[in-house]
Amino acid sequence: DAGVIQSPRHEVTEMGQEVTLRCKPISGHDYLFWYRQTMMRGLELLIYFNNNVPIDDSGMPEDRFSAKMPNASFSTLKIQPSEPRDSAVYFCASSWTRNTEAFFGQGTRLTVV
Amino acid sequence: QQQVKQSPQSLIVQKGGISIINCAYENTAFDYFPWYQQFPGKGPALLIAIRPDVSEKKEGRFTISFNKSAKQFSLHIMDSQPGDSATYFCAASIQGGGADGLTFGKGTHLIIQP
Repeated sequence: DAGVIQSPRHEVTEMGQEVTLRCKPISGHDYLFWYRQTMMRGLELLIYFNNNVPIDDSGMPEDRFSAKMPNASFSTLKIQPSEPRDSAVYFCASSWTRNTEAFFGQGTRLTVV
Repeated sequence: QQQVKQSPQSLIVQKGGISIINCAYENTAFDYFPWYQQFPGKGPALLIAIRPDVSEKKEGRFTISFNKSAKQFSLHIMDSQPGDSATYFCAASIQGGGADGLTFGKGTHLIIQP
């Protein structure tokens, strides 16, 4: 398996625009996680899914953020409208079960200008 | 509230030396303590992990030391190599290590000088 695949690797957008980040988890993994990494706050869990169902979205910072998982092999994180303070590296991770190792993708570096 | 405090923020070690990174936690319910390694442009990857029923775990050159009474744990890298240069994150979670419960430290940027 190629691991967790995220796209795009880099995204530069203007404030107010909609941004969509994509993730393909490892085949067979039942859990999918979205994290955000910044210098100030470190790694933060935004939301996670179990069998395509959102379980906990308490880490989503604002209503501008939304995430979907329409099927077992694809998830999106959308920011609408984007703001400069959303600039960060966003990671997707997946795992077999809740208590097994999570494998991270390479991340999407988002810059909102 | 930062539940896992990591130090130092950055560390420079000579090749062959010992790198030591420390973490302290507050929540006594934590029962799983992993360390993640992150190279530039890559996502974090699990390096080594420990549960509180043991005081030390060693895997190759990497050792976790755990002090339950002090609520502290540390990563030791023996015979540090330039390839170990990366950012290291400690983390803690409750109920066995689910990624949904991981609380990460802020990270330590480690540089191993040749």
